[in-house]
Amino acid sequence: AQKITQTQPGMFVQEKEAVTLDCTYDTSDQSYGLFWYKQPSSGEMIFLIYQGSYDEQNATEGRYSLNFQKARKSANLVISASQLGDSAMYFCAMWGAAGNKLTFGGGTRVLVKP
Amino acid sequence: DSGVTQTPKHLITATGQRVTLRCSPRSGDLSVYWYQQSLDQGLQFLIQYYNGEERAKGNILERFSAQQFPDLHSELNLSSLELGDSALYFCASSVSGGAASTDTQYFGPGTRLTVL
Repeated sequence: AQKITQTQPGMFVQEKEAVTLDCTYDTSDQSYGLFWYKQPSSGEMIFLIYQGSYDEQNATEGRYSLNFQKARKSANLVISASQLGDSAMYFCAMWGAAGNKLTFGGGTRVLVKP
Repeated sequence: DSGVTQTPKHLITATGQRVTLRCSPRSGDLSVYWYQQSLDQGLQFLIQYYNGEERAKGNILERFSAQQFPDLHSELNLSSLELGDSALYFCASSVSGGAASTDTQYFGPGTRLTVL
């Protein structure tokens, strides 16, 4: 069975600072994908970034980067230069061949302070 | 805008009733997924269709059913509604239906269901 754990229920970050959101996962699959989604207060789920289990380089998408440590089974999201619009819930998710579905963590709520 | 559309945006109904949620995937995507997001259960996968066929089933109740039509839009039918069915229901779509771990799922804006 696949499991995603996000241990930080909520955090504050100062505008323009970087923030790291933790995500650990558990899977027996050799091939899997890790995803981060953002859910603002309006409710929609916005895809941010993807990391494949065989990717040797950490993924980056603009101000988002994924710190992938395969041996530790962690896939932390780093948001650089936080903006007020980054205030939202952030979900880590994993796709594995066994389940053929996305398994989500419980989410981390980020509040950016001006 | 992800390109996935869901209607209606909000739905308020009474216990015991039946409702239908509709989803249109992104252009070119063959697979549709349904998820339920509630405060106590978090985000839960319900069911997946790929090119009209059911491909994977998650924690979907027997009172719930879904289908994907030839034009690839999908409907989620919820019947004998209970208070606990109140949730945000998401549809997502992807190109290959999970054939590869790179197959990103793009979510629609969701339908917020309130059962009174």
